[in-house]
Amino acid sequence: GAVVSQHPSWVICKSGTSVKIECRSLDFQATTMFWYRQFPKQSLMLMATSNEGSKATYEQGVEKDKFLINHASLTLSTLTVTSAHPEDSSFYICSAGDYDRGTDTQYFGPGTRLTVL
Amino acid sequence: KQEVTQIPAALSVPEGENLVLNCSFTDSAIYNLQWFRQDPGKGLTSLLLIQSSQREQTSGRLNASLDKSSGRSTLYIAASQPGDSATYLCAVRISYNTDKLIFGTGTRLQVFP
Repeated sequence: GAVVSQHPSWVICKSGTSVKIECRSLDFQATTMFWYRQFPKQSLMLMATSNEGSKATYEQGVEKDKFLINHASLTLSTLTVTSAHPEDSSFYICSAGDYDRGTDTQYFGPGTRLTVL
Repeated sequence: KQEVTQIPAALSVPEGENLVLNCSFTDSAIYNLQWFRQDPGKGLTSLLLIQSSQREQTSGRLNASLDKSSGRSTLYIAASQPGDSATYLCAVRISYNTDKLIFGTGTRLQVFP
């Protein structure tokens, strides 16, 4: 149980295009999901907190107009990288907490590798 | 501002060795600390979670300790195996009121046969 999926697992796009990444909690409801970015050989950096039915909360230095987050249901959050550029190439990971199980553990998706040409 | 550091950054050992991975955090006021494993190009798998009131947690060959007052946690891996090769990340949750995790810099472990 407590599985989080991401789609796509990898994507290559041209500079200037937009890319949407989906994060789904498969067997639990997640009122809150988190989006992280990980550059090669670096740790995870939190980008934003996605709240179901309300606006996302972005970390300092993350452009909310560039990284659009929508959390329209209790099992789905999407991250759209708008007008992507090569510097946006990274590994994007989402996570969600399954608090109905009485645990503080966050469950992470398998990640999406974005390459912008 | 909470900062989390891990040492060593990389470690290469023969199988069978007992290992110690270190995690330090600058603000001792944490809610819990979690150790994760990340395989190359993959997501994270939770290994152990220690609440701020706890001193250690064990799972199989893994043992994690927490000394909150000194801002340190240690992950002990007994009798290491090649399958343990991965990057190990620690992360702190700073308070009960937020689910936000602050990740450490990671330790890349390679266990060779």
